[in-house]
Amino acid sequence: DTAVSQTPKYLVTQMGNDKSIKCEQNLGHDTMYWYKQDSKKFLKIMFSYNNKELIINETVPNRFSPKSPDKAHLNLHINSLELGDSAVYFCASSSSGISYYGYTFGSGTRLTVV
Amino acid sequence: KQEVTQIPAALSVPEGENLVLNCSFTDSAIYNLQWFRQDPGKGLTSLLLIQSSQREQTSGRLNASLDKSSGRSTLYIAASQPGDSATYLCAAYGNKLVFGAGTILRVKS
Repeated sequence: DTAVSQTPKYLVTQMGNDKSIKCEQNLGHDTMYWYKQDSKKFLKIMFSYNNKELIINETVPNRFSPKSPDKAHLNLHINSLELGDSAVYFCASSSSGISYYGYTFGSGTRLTVV
Repeated sequence: KQEVTQIPAALSVPEGENLVLNCSFTDSAIYNLQWFRQDPGKGLTSLLLIQSSQREQTSGRLNASLDKSSGRSTLYIAASQPGDSATYLCAAYGNKLVFGAGTILRVKS
């Protein structure tokens, strides 16, 4: 199946912990993204990587650190988790340039900080 | 800064009705606009992508139009069905994809 896959699907953790979310796409896309969907269901971009290079870094606490080992993977590491980090985090990918056919999203990781 | 607004925020209709969801964006310098569907607790499913050079796209009972100059897009759903119940999101792409808050659609049988 060609897709954007995220792991884990659910993550429950205590305040202060460090956690990672992994994302992989097998669509051959060169750009990957992290979006956050808050409790009001609003989706907001956090980061974007093109060919392993960071191109968008929105106003996100520096406790959030993305890492792209290759253009098919984009992981999100979160340090010192806070209650307000509870949200659904979506990974997405797209192709740049003339081969752009829109974004493809993963199924999301629901993070709950207790 | 691009802002995307969707109206109405929620809509409840009887089965079989034709309906229109509205999306407006503040910066007309977009490359394309994409409509998504999100089911409760699920990810986003792309419905239609309209390039800036196009005026509309159709897929089955769905038709989306784009008017860049006025900063508007509409998603038309024909003969609505209970299975269409979901949140519909529009997103405008300039240098990044910016989402509206969505329209929650409920189709009653």
